[in-house]
Amino acid sequence: GAGVSQTPSNKVTEKGKYVELRCDPISGHTALYWYRQSLGQGPEFLIYFQGTGAADDSGLPNDRFFAVRPEGSVSTLKIQRTERGDSAVYLCASSLGGDSPLHFGNGTRLTVT
Amino acid sequence: GNSVTQMEGPVTLSEEAFLTINCTYTATGYPSLFWYVQYPGEGLQLLLKATKADDKGSNKGFEATYRKETTSFHLEKGSVQVSDSAVYFCALRQGDTGRRALTFGSGTRLQVQP
Repeated sequence: GAGVSQTPSNKVTEKGKYVELRCDPISGHTALYWYRQSLGQGPEFLIYFQGTGAADDSGLPNDRFFAVRPEGSVSTLKIQRTERGDSAVYLCASSLGGDSPLHFGNGTRLTVT
Repeated sequence: GNSVTQMEGPVTLSEEAFLTINCTYTATGYPSLFWYVQYPGEGLQLLLKATKADDKGSNKGFEATYRKETTSFHLEKGSVQVSDSAVYFCALRQGDTGRRALTFGSGTRLQVQP
């Protein structure tokens, strides 16, 4: 079956611009996570949705980062006024909730020039 | 706060060699522990997990035992194959607060040569 889909796979943007990254979770998965992975590092937690609501947004680094999941399926991560330090691979994962395993997408590689 | 420390890579082994990738953690309470693997060109996928002390997780010939006394969760495999070449991530999820986020280590790249 279809896995977690993230688009675009690559995004290059200029410093100061606004970007949106999209995640299509596995159908029926109620939990959705965003992580950020810098080169040579493990994924770093950003935000977790249970259904439509953000159950834990403690990992968002500052108020330039925002994420939504209005209908409880697709999610969009939004980054305003991008900075070069935002360059990383942004990973999305979904699960059935509880202790069920996370299924990760292949990520969006964001490069801020 | 929570943290996971893994041995640095790359780890380079010949086919059929024994593998150990060390992982230690710092956490409050009783975390669940995981190993994730990322094969070239693919997304992270769960390899194995253990949810309480002395549990052993196993999958595809890999094993890891949750050692609370040493706060460790080392990954082992008795005989690696070229197809095991990947990046391996140790991770924990804090168990007693309901927080669902995983905390990952920095990853260890394994290269298996024929």
